[in-house]
Amino acid sequence: QKEVEQDPGPLSVPEGAIVSLNCTYSNSAFQYFMWYRQYSRKGPELLMYTYSSGNKEDGRFTAQVDKSSKYISLFIRDSQPSDSATYLCATNSGYSTLTFGKGTMLLVSP
Amino acid sequence: EPEVTQTPSHQVTQMGQEVILRCVPISNHLYFYWYRQILGQKVEFLVSFYNNEISEKSEIFDDQFSVERPDGSNFTLKIRSTKLEDSAMYFCASSVEGTDSPLHFGNGTRLTVT
Repeated sequence: QKEVEQDPGPLSVPEGAIVSLNCTYSNSAFQYFMWYRQYSRKGPELLMYTYSSGNKEDGRFTAQVDKSSKYISLFIRDSQPSDSATYLCATNSGYSTLTFGKGTMLLVSP
Repeated sequence: EPEVTQTPSHQVTQMGQEVILRCVPISNHLYFYWYRQILGQKVEFLVSFYNNEISEKSEIFDDQFSVERPDGSNFTLKIRSTKLEDSAMYFCASSVEGTDSPLHFGNGTRLTVT
């Protein structure tokens, strides 16, 4: 079983929509969860960083972690064309290196 | 905002040649990493470096790879004898406190081996 899984998409939405991006993981030792945004041919840019279960909000972005079901979500409100990118979830245990999902491509049309 | 910088942005080399990829991590960060991403694949861990030594490495990081912090600001990845399958984006990252603090990535070096 792969450690971190994401639907590769693409996920296509109109401008202004609420976007839900999801990720599952298999290792119950993981407790640090990150979302990165990656534009084409660029490095991953840190969007959200959370520890353990719960919600964290930053502007239009909300990260949600449910450790009981090993499920991570990123919600984007009022999506913009500039949000079009690949979104990577990543996680680790605090003693291990970061494990990435393959990423979900998001396309926001004007 | 401080950022990780990498040079060059694109490197083309012939199979069997040595390449050195360079990175300047964020200045107050203590932990440094190299990751790579083959086109269409996930970002994969190569090596982590702390206190002037390798703290962890993956099975990808074999004897052909080495890392060095030659001075107080640079962090380099050397590939001794490149293979076609080494073609990928190579990302440098740094963090303040290791694996329980978030990693900040550079924009990468695209390595093409012909």
